[in-house]
Amino acid sequence: QSALTQPPSASGSPGQSVTISCTGTSSDVGGYNYVSWYQQHPGKAPKLMIYEVTKRPSGVPDRFSGSKSGNTASLTVSGLQAEDEADYYCGSYAGSNNFRVFGGGTKLTVL
Amino acid sequence: QVQLQESGPGLVKPSQTLSLTCTVSGGSISSGAYYWSWIRQHPGKGLEWIGYIYYSGTTYYNPSLKSRVTISVDTSKNQFSLKLSSVTAADTAVYYCARDCHYDGRAYHYYFDYWGHGTLVTVST
Repeated sequence: QSALTQPPSASGSPGQSVTISCTGTSSDVGGYNYVSWYQQHPGKAPKLMIYEVTKRPSGVPDRFSGSKSGNTASLTVSGLQAEDEADYYCGSYAGSNNFRVFGGGTKLTVL
Repeated sequence: QVQLQESGPGLVKPSQTLSLTCTVSGGSISSGAYYWSWIRQHPGKGLEWIGYIYYSGTTYYNPSLKSRVTISVDTSKNQFSLKLSSVTAADTAVYYCARDCHYDGRAYHYYFDYWGHGTLVTVST
């Protein structure tokens, strides 16, 4: 069982917005602003999409945005495009043990 | 552009030791700017962080794997390595190496920004 909880699936039509949640505890997601999100296409390595809750690396479209409230972080994909169909994983720093934790992943389907 | 490349056997027998190496290019491990991690993904499953190493040799391991994991670094070759002992079928996974956190002089930043392509390791007779 993953340390962070994500819904197994999400979907939306092209042009729509979809939000994926990531629930942890006060020891990880809720305790630090170190939530990151990764996109993974089949057979490929994960790609960093969001770091430190809301920041986008260079080259990531601004259709991707992140937020956090309490122990739950969220990734929102606006203006869905076919190429956004992928698995999405959240990750978080987990405190004094210098531990890293991930969610179980959410499969995003563009209808 | 930083690139990471995993290498090592794709098939390991049960009870033996899994050994993988990650070669870093486009950046120097010995600069001390970053930590370097191993992460694995069981077939069809989520990501599991295994552990990290710093250029000095400082390591930290996932407590669930700590008794079987050793991560080492060879700064002369710009490589870091993973050894996982007493493997079973449950260790069959794609193993990734990735660039981990860094310190910018004011604060640490925790995320994995560069990843290798991953290598599938199967534990089987």
